[in-house]
Amino acid sequence: EVVLTQSPATLSLSPGERATLSCRASQTVHSYLAWYQQKPGQAPRLLIYDVSNRATGIPARFSGSGSGTDFTLTISSLEPEDFAVYYCQQRFSWPPLTFGGGTKVEIK
Amino acid sequence: EVQLLESGGGLVQPGGSLRLSCAASGFTFSSYAMSWVRQAPGKGLEWVSAISGSGGRTFYADSVKGRFTISRDNSKNTLYLQMKSLRVEDTAFYYCAKGANPEHPYHFEDWGQGTLVTVSS
Repeated sequence: EVVLTQSPATLSLSPGERATLSCRASQTVHSYLAWYQQKPGQAPRLLIYDVSNRATGIPARFSGSGSGTDFTLTISSLEPEDFAVYYCQQRFSWPPLTFGGGTKVEIK
Repeated sequence: EVQLLESGGGLVQPGGSLRLSCAASGFTFSSYAMSWVRQAPGKGLEWVSAISGSGGRTFYADSVKGRFTISRDNSKNTLYLQMKSLRVEDTAFYYCAKGANPEHPYHFEDWGQGTLVTVSS
């Protein structure tokens, strides 16, 4: 099973700042990594798939990069609605499909 | 607009059974693999099971294999999860999620609002 480790667990930032979230895989997942955003009381929402492809309707301030075992989600300038929990997910080696433990982006 | 509406959650005793349903609309249901993903209250996401668009292939997490059965009725645009021998650790919100491919879930393009399953005596 591929284990995804996200860091940091919590990121405290102010609106307008840049957010950099990390996801590290226990073995290569090539380019088959996705990112989701989840707000309290809501279902997750797909942001990025296959490392760097934005899902429909996702603003350009969200971008993804990386390959192999190390991946990054960057939010170039935080908007108030971006404060949420973010999860990465791999689809290269499955079953099982696996998720990281999440990074909470909170207002500083 | 894609809509996924789960139902069937509730309170059940350990060892009991429950069947979840997910009514889909806004897309060609049979053209996409579907999954169930769960989230224990205050915890992270856990993939539970997936089924191909035709229903011919099914996949399970080890934690539910032999206890849960995923199925679909493409004539009714509905996904199911039959859960048996439920354990306290199965307590979670269960989300229905639309995959990105007919045969494999890949990533999850759309999600339902979730239904809460509580296993407790």
